[in-house]
Amino acid sequence: GAVVSQHPSRVICKSGTSVKIECRSLDFQATTMFWYRQFPKQSLMLMATSNEGSKATYEQGVEKDKFLINHASLTLSTLTVTSAHPEDSSFYICSASGGLAGGKQETQYFGPGTRLLVL
Amino acid sequence: GQNIDQPTEMTATEGAIVQINCTYQTSGFNGLFWYQQHAGEAPTFLSYNVLDGLEEKGRFSSFLSRSKGYSYLLLKELQMKDSASYLCAVSAIKGGGNKLTFGTGTQLKVEL
Repeated sequence: GAVVSQHPSRVICKSGTSVKIECRSLDFQATTMFWYRQFPKQSLMLMATSNEGSKATYEQGVEKDKFLINHASLTLSTLTVTSAHPEDSSFYICSASGGLAGGKQETQYFGPGTRLLVL
Repeated sequence: GQNIDQPTEMTATEGAIVQINCTYQTSGFNGLFWYQQHAGEAPTFLSYNVLDGLEEKGRFSSFLSRSKGYSYLLLKELQMKDSASYLCAVSAIKGGGNKLTFGTGTQLKVEL
């Protein structure tokens, strides 16, 4: 159980284009999904937290107009990198959790990640 | 903010035992996770501790001391496939929600 998929796994695009990444929880309902970015040999950095049906909460320094997040259902969240530039090239990873249940922390399960290369 | 410290690299021998330490400082502590991450892949969940003590799961065990802000991951009977980065992640309640903050990871190399 607790499988999270991401699509695409790799994408190469030209500078200035937009890229959409999908994150799906396959066998559970994810009330909360998280988007992370990881540069080579660095740890995961949280970009934003999204709850189903509401606006995402972005971390400090993350431009909400550049990284558009939509969490339209309990099993799907999308991240759109708008007007991508070479410095946006990174490993983007989503995670999903069932949220707090009876005050108990729910584990975050990670998708396989999307490697973005902007030329 | 949160400070999470773990060693950058460790090397151990196949069949041996290795302990990876993690110290942290945070407010609103709500649990500590250990994840394993192979190069180029997403992290996979290993363990979760929210109360003090040792949690054992097969070859992997994790310990937490909340008063000391300290955790360790213990790997027994090391195998070559255990070569990976091990991430300590602290969950804290911030702004009404839970957030995970990751350490920089400990790169474990298992040798023959």
